[in-house]
Amino acid sequence: EIVMTQSPATLSVSPGERATLSCRASQSVSINLAWYQQKPGQAPRLLIYGASTRATGIPARFSGSGSGTEFTLTISSLQSEDFAVYYCQQYNNWPPWTFGQGTKVEV
Amino acid sequence: EVQLLESGGGLVQPGGSLRLSCAASGFTFARFVMSWVRQAPGKGLEWVSSISESGGDTYYTDSVKGRFTISRDNSKNTVYLQVNSLRAEDTAEYYCAKGGFVVRGVIISPTPFDFWGQGTLVTVSS
Repeated sequence: EIVMTQSPATLSVSPGERATLSCRASQSVSINLAWYQQKPGQAPRLLIYGASTRATGIPARFSGSGSGTEFTLTISSLQSEDFAVYYCQQYNNWPPWTFGQGTKVEV
Repeated sequence: EVQLLESGGGLVQPGGSLRLSCAASGFTFARFVMSWVRQAPGKGLEWVSSISESGGDTYYTDSVKGRFTISRDNSKNTVYLQVNSLRAEDTAEYYCAKGGFVVRGVIISPTPFDFWGQGTLVTVSS
């Protein structure tokens, strides 16, 4: 099983600032890495897939990078609606499909 | 517009059973793998089970093998999760999600979970 590790657990930022979230895989997942956003009381929403491709309707301020075992999600200028929990997920080696433990982005 | 609507959750005693349903619309259901992902209160996301387009192949996380059964009815655009022998640690919001992998001929390609339902809550307690 591939273990996904996200850092930091909590990221405190101000609106308008840049946020950088990290995700590490215990072994290579190529670029089969997705990022999801989850707001309180809501289902997760796909943001990024293929490590760097934005899903339909996702604003350009969200960008993903990386390959192999090291990945980054960057939010270039945080908006109020971006405060949420973000999960990375590998879908390269399955089953199981595995998620990181999440990074909470807060003010 | 893709929509996934879960139902069937509720309060159940340890050892009990439930049948979760997920009704899909807005896409050609029979062409896509479907999955269930759960989230315990205040915790992260955990993949539970997936089923191939035809229903011929099923996958489970180790902790639910032998207790949970995933199935689908392509004529009703619905995927099910029969959950038996429930334990307190199964308490979670259960999400239906589209995706996991795609088969094109002999090529199997991995895919993310691109659409999610709103979830159905399963609470296991006496």
